Amino acid sequence: EPEVTQTPSHQVTQMGQEVILRCVPISNHLYFYWYRQILGQKVEFLVSFYNNEISEKSEIFDDQFSVERPDGSNFTLKIRSTKLEDSAMYFCASTPRVKQFFGPGTRLTVL
Amino acid sequence: QKEVEQDPGPLSVPEGAIVSLNCTYSNSAFQYFMWYRQYSRKGPELLMYTYSSGNKEDGRFTAQVDKSSKYISLFIRDSQPSDSATYLCAMSADSNYQLIWGAGTKLIIKP
Repeated sequence: EPEVTQTPSHQVTQMGQEVILRCVPISNHLYFYWYRQILGQKVEFLVSFYNNEISEKSEIFDDQFSVERPDGSNFTLKIRSTKLEDSAMYFCASTPRVKQFFGPGTRLTVL
Repeated sequence: QKEVEQDPGPLSVPEGAIVSLNCTYSNSAFQYFMWYRQYSRKGPELLMYTYSSGNKEDGRFTAQVDKSSKYISLFIRDSQPSDSATYLCAMSADSNYQLIWGAGTKLIIKP
């Protein structure tokens, strides 16, 4: 059964550094999402992406964040200058329509 | 008032019991309702999806939506220790909009 995959599974970085989180959505899906979950807290929406552009973004998704679909398979989230409060699990999701399927997540630790 | 309210638990029940998990919401525009299961430090796994009001059954799981009361439920019959996880409700106003999440209920099934 097709799955959403994410790499790396765990990323440790220093505050102020740039990180790129990678996702490979399910191949025939058209809508892509990034969510994050700070330890012990709710899942929070960051951004949705359709037809090579952002379709929705939350207040969290400020100028430090960007998304890209550099080729036909990858979907990336870049955080330009990480802050301590960016430490969280980051989940990528994709859907053909309605049902969103999630990847296993990347745990980002900012020191 | 939070958009989606869910009791975080933990809810502890003996193996074989019927489990009832619930969420309430405030936004009457929500039409798509989902239940996800999340094991510790893993991505959310879609269990059930319901559009608008009504019931849906899949094996031991039944999802109910009562839009008039803004209340959704997930029932698990013949609960097993492997059902121990956090159960998250999520909902959306449109088929490809962001999901709005409950806090998740931690469920423990005691053998």
